[in-house]
Amino acid sequence: QSALAQPASVSGSPGQSITIFCSGTSSDVGGHNYVSWYQQHPGRAPKLLIYDVTNRPSGVSNRFSGSKSGNTASLTISGLQAEDEANYYCSSHRSTTTLVVFGGGTKLTVL
Amino acid sequence: QVQLLESGGGLVKPGGSLRLSCAASGFIFSDYYMSWIRQAPGKGLEWVSYITSGAGTMIYYAESVKGRFTVSRDNAKKSLYLQMNSFRPDDTAVYYCARVSPDSSSTFGALDIWGQGTTVTVS
Repeated sequence: QSALAQPASVSGSPGQSITIFCSGTSSDVGGHNYVSWYQQHPGRAPKLLIYDVTNRPSGVSNRFSGSKSGNTASLTISGLQAEDEANYYCSSHRSTTTLVVFGGGTKLTVL
Repeated sequence: QVQLLESGGGLVKPGGSLRLSCAASGFIFSDYYMSWIRQAPGKGLEWVSYITSGAGTMIYYAESVKGRFTVSRDNAKKSLYLQMNSFRPDDTAVYYCARVSPDSSSTFGALDIWGQGTTVTVS
């Protein structure tokens, strides 16, 4: 069982928007603004999409946005494209000896 | 081009040992915290370890590998290492090295550059 809870799968049609939620506790998601989101295509390394809850690294499309409310973080992908079909992972710093925790991942299917 | 390249994976028996390497290029390696992350087959990501920048005087491990895995770095060779001992079957995974983003406000923040991964199979 992963430390952060994510839905196993979400789907959407091209052009639509979807949101993936990541639920944690006050020791991780709720206690810090250090939530990150990664995209991983099958057989590939993860790619950083969002850091520190809302920030996008240079080169990442502005179709990806992040937010947080309480112990739950979210990733919104707007204007879905076929290339967005991938697995998405959230992660957070945790105030314990386990410094970083990940969600179990969400498989996005673009219909 | 900023790049990380892992090597050293393979098939190992339970209780055995293996050393992974991660060669960095395109950035000043010594300036960055580095991390190891692993992913079991068909599973999610699991943080393994962090090592601080410079001399790497501070190293942090996940409880699942503490006492069995050792991280080190050689800045002159621009390389990160993961010495893995006392393998268990649940150590089977793709192991990634990754760079801690300099843009994050957290020392243990986001990982902005990842290698392609190297596969370790314990059987």
